[in-house]
This record gives sequence, C-alpha cells and structure tokens, in this order.
Amino acid sequence: AQSVAQPEDQVNVAEGNPLTVKCTYSVSGNPYLFWYVQYPNRGLQFLLKYITGDNLVKGSYGFEAEFNKSQTSFHLKKPSALVSDSALYFCAVRDMLKYGGSQGNLIFGKGTKLSVKP
Amino acid sequence: GAGVSQSPRYKVAKRGQDVALRCDPISGHVSLFWYQQALGQGPEFLTYFQNEAQLDKSGLPSDRFFAERPEGSVSTLKIQRTQQEDSAVYLCASSPALMPNTEAFFGQGTRLTVV
Repeated sequence: AQSVAQPEDQVNVAEGNPLTVKCTYSVSGNPYLFWYVQYPNRGLQFLLKYITGDNLVKGSYGFEAEFNKSQTSFHLKKPSALVSDSALYFCAVRDMLKYGGSQGNLIFGKGTKLSVKP
Repeated sequence: GAGVSQSPRYKVAKRGQDVALRCDPISGHVSLFWYQQALGQGPEFLTYFQNEAQLDKSGLPSDRFFAERPEGSVSTLKIQRTQQEDSAVYLCASSPALMPNTEAFFGQGTRLTVV
C-alpha cells in the first residue's frame, strides 16, 4: 500500500534557526511528492513538489525539500525560520496505482505542527 | 474566480439532517477532488471527478455520501441523514491537467459540525 509518514506531531524552533519537518514515504514505482501548508481556518496551500531531477527542490516562502531515494524521505527544510511559518505542514504522495498513471488523488500524512518562537 | 471557492464555510447540522456542500473550482480545471479532514488528521480522499465524470468514489465512507459535478464545473457533496462521525472539514481541490506532476489547488473548506 502507498503511504506517507510524518513521525513528528510537533516541531518547535526558535526564530532564525534552521527547521526540518520530516516525511517518509512508501510507494510503488517513482514517487510524486508534495508539501502543503495549512494556516488556521484556511485550506491547504501548495509549497513545493518533487517529480524528477534534482534531489533538492526549492519552493515558496523560502522552503526547500530534499528527496532521498535510498531513505525514502522527503524532508522539508528552511535555513532560517520565521514566526509567520508557524502552521500545520502536510506531506503527500500521488496515488499512482489508479487511472493508469494519470492523475490520482493525494495520500496525506497526519501533519506536523510547526511552532516558531521569537 | 482567483481560487477554489467553497460554501458554506461553516455548517451546523442536527443529526439526521441532510446537507449539501458546494465547490466552485478554478475555471477550466479538469480534475476535482473531495477530501475529508477530521480534527488532528490529514485530509483523506473521498471522490474524484474528471470533468463531469465521477471516476472514483472509493473513499466515500457510506452510501449516505453522494457527489456530483453535472456540467463539469461546480460540484456538490451531499450527505444524507448526517451522523456525529460526519463532523469534519470537507476540502475541495481542483487541478488543470491530467498529469501526475500537477499540484492541486485547495479551497478553504467547509467545517461541518453535526450536533
């Protein structure tokens, strides 16, 4: 079965410090991986995606993610955290077992709450 | 509109009542997904439309849930005889293409509370 795991329910970081939000995945074949952010009472906002190519993917708001095939991980990172980065972060993988390889639904992790303190 | 629009934003229903949740996707987007997000959980897939065709409804939790997209644009998720376990945020997402590398754009969701 295809799945995504976010092992940390919460990550606490001081403003200005680097942050990492962890994600591991289990898929059949090549993964299509995504990170989304959710602010309170808001929908999910797309941050970045890995499809193929460079293992380091750059996205919105200064975030980046590192794809590691051997460790089946796709950790979200930012060199210097801001208080405004505090939110709920979701890792997701495209379900590629459906529809003959065209667009399947996303399978989400449980989410990681990021708290950045001044 | 500029993004995916969902209405109502909040809905309180008495147990046993029927509800209808609306999703206005981004104009021209082919794919439309519905997800259910329980408190403290990640979104879980409910159903998928490609234009007006409902290609996948494997995530619908019971036959009380029904979705439609008759003209390939606006979609409605209907829940009959609501139960307390239906309380959740219902998210709609759309995307412009049928390629797996295309990100989905989410609406703000409808928070359903069944009392």
